[in-house]
Amino acid sequence: GAVVSQHPSWVICKSGTSVKIECRSLDFQATTMFWYRQFPKQSLMLMATSNEGSKATYEQGVEKDKFLINHASLTLSTLTVTSAHPEDSSFYICSANSDYEQYFGPGTRLTVT
Amino acid sequence: GENVEQHPSTLSVQEGDSAVIKCTYSDSASNYFPWYKQELGKGPQLIIDIRSNVGEKKDQRIAVTLNKTAKHFSLHITETQPEDSAVYFCATQITSGSRLTFGEGTQLTVNP
Repeated sequence: GAVVSQHPSWVICKSGTSVKIECRSLDFQATTMFWYRQFPKQSLMLMATSNEGSKATYEQGVEKDKFLINHASLTLSTLTVTSAHPEDSSFYICSANSDYEQYFGPGTRLTVT
Repeated sequence: GENVEQHPSTLSVQEGDSAVIKCTYSDSASNYFPWYKQELGKGPQLIIDIRSNVGEKKDQRIAVTLNKTAKHFSLHITETQPEDSAVYFCATQITSGSRLTFGEGTQLTVNP
C-alpha cells in the first residue's frame, strides 16, 4: 500500500528558532502533497498545497513567510516553521496523492517553549 | 466552497453492536468520498472510499453508502470491536489530486 513518512515524529524547540519537517512518499510518486495542522479534538486544517517544482498554494490566513514549503522532488516535501512561537505548537500532518486516494503521514508533534 | 457536516460528534456503542456515522456535503461536483480513522497521536488512515458512480461499497465489517441526490454518505461498522475506538473523519473531493474537505470528526468508543 501507499506509505507516507514524516520526520521527526516529535520536536521541541525554543521560541525564535526554526524547525524543518520532512514528508516523504515511500512507494509512490506524488506531484501534490498537502500540509495540515490539527489542534486537540479538532479536525484537520489545510495549511497549503505543495506542488512539485512550483510554489506552494497557501490557504487564507496562513503566513507563507512563516511556514515555508518546498517540494523539490516527487517524493519529498518539507515544511519549515520559521521564528517559532508557542502558539505554533501543534500537530502537523502531511499527505500525498496517489491517483484519487490521499494518504497521510503519521504526523509531527511540535512543541515550542 | 464545499461544506461537510458530520454527525454525531461522539458515539458510544457496546462491543458487537453496529455504528453508523453520517455526513452531508454541499457541492454537487464532489465525486470522491473517503473515510479516515485516526487514533490518538497518529495520522489519519484511509479505511474505505467510494466514488460517485457507486452507491455502496463494502470491505469486511466496514461499508459506505452514498446518496448523491440527497448529498449524503454514511459509514457503517458492524460487529464493532474495542480496537475500532478512534476518531473517524469523512471527506469529499471534487477532482483527482485536489484538496479534501473534512467533516469535524466522530469520536467512536466501543465498550467491551
